[in-house]
Amino acid sequence: AQSVTQLDSHVSVSEGTPVLLRCNYSSSYSPSLFWYVQHPNKGLQLLLKYTSAATLVKGINGFEAEFKKSETSFHLTKPSAHMSDAAEYFCVVSDPGAGKSTFGDGTTLTVKP
Amino acid sequence: NAGVTQTPKFQVLKTGQSMTLQCAQDMNHEYMSWYRQDPGMGLRLIHYSVGAGITDQGEVPNGYNVSRSTTEDFPLRLLSAAPSQTSVYFCASNRLAGYEQFFGPGTRLTVL
Repeated sequence: AQSVTQLDSHVSVSEGTPVLLRCNYSSSYSPSLFWYVQHPNKGLQLLLKYTSAATLVKGINGFEAEFKKSETSFHLTKPSAHMSDAAEYFCVVSDPGAGKSTFGDGTTLTVKP
Repeated sequence: NAGVTQTPKFQVLKTGQSMTLQCAQDMNHEYMSWYRQDPGMGLRLIHYSVGAGITDQGEVPNGYNVSRSTTEDFPLRLLSAAPSQTSVYFCASNRLAGYEQFFGPGTRLTVL
């Protein structure tokens, strides 16, 4: 069985400061892991993905995430937040053997000027 | 490439009515999924398909039916709409298991 826990439902940062969104996962296999972003009243956009290659994954808009198997974590980071980063972020786990994906409950990122 | 398309964009139903949400993809992806999104609950999997003719239940399948007669199309049927089915519905496709999903724009459904 697979599951994912996003440890913070809301994160608030000031513009220009670092962003950390935390995600822990559970999987019976070697999973694929993803971060998606959803801006208000918009669809979902892929930020980055881990598929058993390099453990540090770089994505779009300056985001990156590190896969840590020993900690079963896949935290999302960005060195400097921008106002346009304000959105809902979803961590997703997908076991190749399961054929389906499981979403976390989401983290709402607020960026203050 | 249109990617993943969904129709309609908005729909209002009365309790007890039935309807079909349409989803199509033109990327020749084997896997397709239906999710519902409710505030504070992320996206929950309703049904998914690993290929034409093969479907399976997800986390919240009750009240919904699916079929997959072609690779391109994956319609979601609401058998007898209930207010609890008021939600935003997303369809997604991916090439293979474990690959990234591509999402449609969503259908906002209100059941009165």
